[in-house]
Amino acid sequence: KNQVEQSPQSLIILEGKNCTLQCNYTVSPFSNLRWYKQDTGRGPVSLTIMTFSENTKSNGRYTATLDADTKQSSLHITASQLSDSASYICVVSPTGGGADGLTFGKGTHLIIQP
Amino acid sequence: SAVISQKPSRDICQRGTSLTIQCQVDSQVTMMFWYRQQPGQSLTLIATANQGSEATYESGFVIDKFPISRPNLTFSTLTVSNMSPEDSSIYLCSVEDLTKSGNTIYFGEGSWLTVV
Repeated sequence: KNQVEQSPQSLIILEGKNCTLQCNYTVSPFSNLRWYKQDTGRGPVSLTIMTFSENTKSNGRYTATLDADTKQSSLHITASQLSDSASYICVVSPTGGGADGLTFGKGTHLIIQP
Repeated sequence: SAVISQKPSRDICQRGTSLTIQCQVDSQVTMMFWYRQQPGQSLTLIATANQGSEATYESGFVIDKFPISRPNLTFSTLTVSNMSPEDSSIYLCSVEDLTKSGNTIYFGEGSWLTVV
């Protein structure tokens, strides 16, 4: 069964600090991996998307890494801001990469404290 | 990028009633997807809505409970029928943009339903 496990479940850090969120998956065969940011009560917003051949992808202060051999990804947030408080969801697509076969993680709930 | 509008954004519903959620996209898309996100849980695909044909439902979801309409390439509705407190969730509409590399997937803002 395809699974996506995220850790930690929740995280509290001080404003300005860096943090790294983890995603392990068992989806096979694998096509691409996406990270989304979801503010409370809102829809997910895409941060990055990586295919199996990509190792890293940046979007401003967000940097995602991917190790397709170990089936692990991380999302690194640099110089955190209060607006980074949200849930971060890892989403994996099987071969074909379409939207109808996605496996979602439960997300990491990140709280940035002033 | 695709802009998705969902209505209502929030609602409090009485047990046993039904509610229809609307999803409007600013461009034509082949497939639209409906998800449910229960509190503290990951997103679960309810069904794929195709224009001109019946929706395709995932295991555990049936048309009688979640009827879907897709009258054209920019609009879809999801009805949550005969609601119970277990239906309290965020319901999300999603589309796939195949014009960009990596087929970007967009989500609406969600409809947060509380059943009392």
